[in-house]
Amino acid sequence: KNQVEQSPQSLIILEGKNCTLQCNYTVSPFSNLRWYKQDTGRGPVSLTIMTFSENTKSNGRYTATLDADTKQSSLHITASQLSDSASYICVVGLYSGGGADGLTFGKGTHLIIQP
Amino acid sequence: DSGVTQTPKHLITATGQRVTLRCSPRSGDLSVYWYQQSLDQGLQFLIQYYNGEERAKGNILERFSAQQFPDLHSELNLSSLELGDSALYFCASSVEGTKGRNTIYFGEGSWLTVV
Repeated sequence: KNQVEQSPQSLIILEGKNCTLQCNYTVSPFSNLRWYKQDTGRGPVSLTIMTFSENTKSNGRYTATLDADTKQSSLHITASQLSDSASYICVVGLYSGGGADGLTFGKGTHLIIQP
Repeated sequence: DSGVTQTPKHLITATGQRVTLRCSPRSGDLSVYWYQQSLDQGLQFLIQYYNGEERAKGNILERFSAQQFPDLHSELNLSSLELGDSALYFCASSVEGTKGRNTIYFGEGSWLTVV
């Protein structure tokens, strides 16, 4: 069964600190891995997208890594800001040769940045 | 602003009723997706349309139906509503499917409360 597990479920850190969020998946065959940021009550916003051949992708203070061999990904946030408080969702894309494509969503890590 | 427009933003209705949620995808995007997000739950994929045709089906109830029109806007119809249908419904769009680096853009969601 295709699954995406994220850890921790929630995290509280002080403003200015760094943090790393984890994502493990069992989706196969793999197509891509995406990280989204979702503010409470808002739509998810894409942070990074990585395919099989990529092992790191940055977007400002966000850096995602991918290890396709171990089926793990991480999202590192540097010098956190209050506006980083949100849920971060790991999404893995399933490769489908000729028909519908599918995404498997993790339940997200709820990150709170405290001043 | 993702470019994906959803209406209405909020909706309160009684059990047993029927509602229609509307989505206008980003200009040029051919794929439209519908997702349901209940309180403290991850995003659940409901259905995908590509250029007017159903492409993939997820955990969509028989009471729910959707369609994509020739102008590419989409509607999600929810009927015989139950209390458990209360959720945030997201529409998303992309140029093609979910393969590769194809970015998927989410709307701000429609909050449905069934009382």
